[in-house]
Amino acid sequence: DGGITQSPKYLFRKEGQNVTLSCEQNLNHDAMYWYRQDPGQGLRLIYYSQIVNDFQKGDIAEGYSVSREKKESFPLTVTSAQKNPTAFYLCASSSYRTGGPNQPQHFGDGTRLSIL
Amino acid sequence: AQKVTQAQTEISVVEKEDVTLDCVYETRDTTYYLFWYKQPPSGELVFLIRRNSFDEQNEISGRYSWNFQKSTSSFNFTITASQVVDSAVYFCAFDRGSTLGRLYFGRGTQLTVWP
Repeated sequence: DGGITQSPKYLFRKEGQNVTLSCEQNLNHDAMYWYRQDPGQGLRLIYYSQIVNDFQKGDIAEGYSVSREKKESFPLTVTSAQKNPTAFYLCASSSYRTGGPNQPQHFGDGTRLSIL
Repeated sequence: AQKVTQAQTEISVVEKEDVTLDCVYETRDTTYYLFWYKQPPSGELVFLIRRNSFDEQNEISGRYSWNFQKSTSSFNFTITASQVVDSAVYFCAFDRGSTLGRLYFGRGTQLTVWP
């Protein structure tokens, strides 16, 4: 079945450690997005990518990095510079680039990151 | 700047009651798109509906209905005869339609339906 796969489901980070969250999609979507969800805060955009080898910062990019080497993959690295990384991270994709701005985003099941 | 407000943080109802979730947005754009998503306890967001700014027709899908009013900048969501399976967090979201497909989300409304 087509969809978005995020892994791992749960992740623990030690102080000073970088961790990478995986996001893979087989929907043939050009656009991919990373959101952070905190209790009572809704979803906030971290990074997004409209096409391979190109990405833009969202509203809360500090302490995070991404790459987009393949259409199917958009990994997010939470660096040691992110001082409060504990949150639920959601990856999404859409056919915005080809289908227009009214295309819904499709979401993965999320990764819950905690600090040890 | 775009802004989406969901003033109701939590709502509790008993099964079979009707419930309306409010969404108010702010924008100076004339072309834009509005969405509702459902987030069940499992965590993934499920797309429910999208509306563009030129289409103010209300929509009904089974027990779900949506009321879009540009005059009050509102896009409210009503569940008729609620069921326990409707328990989830519901998000309203806004797309400017001008660039890049990014969504602006409200803070969400936690709906709990008791048996």
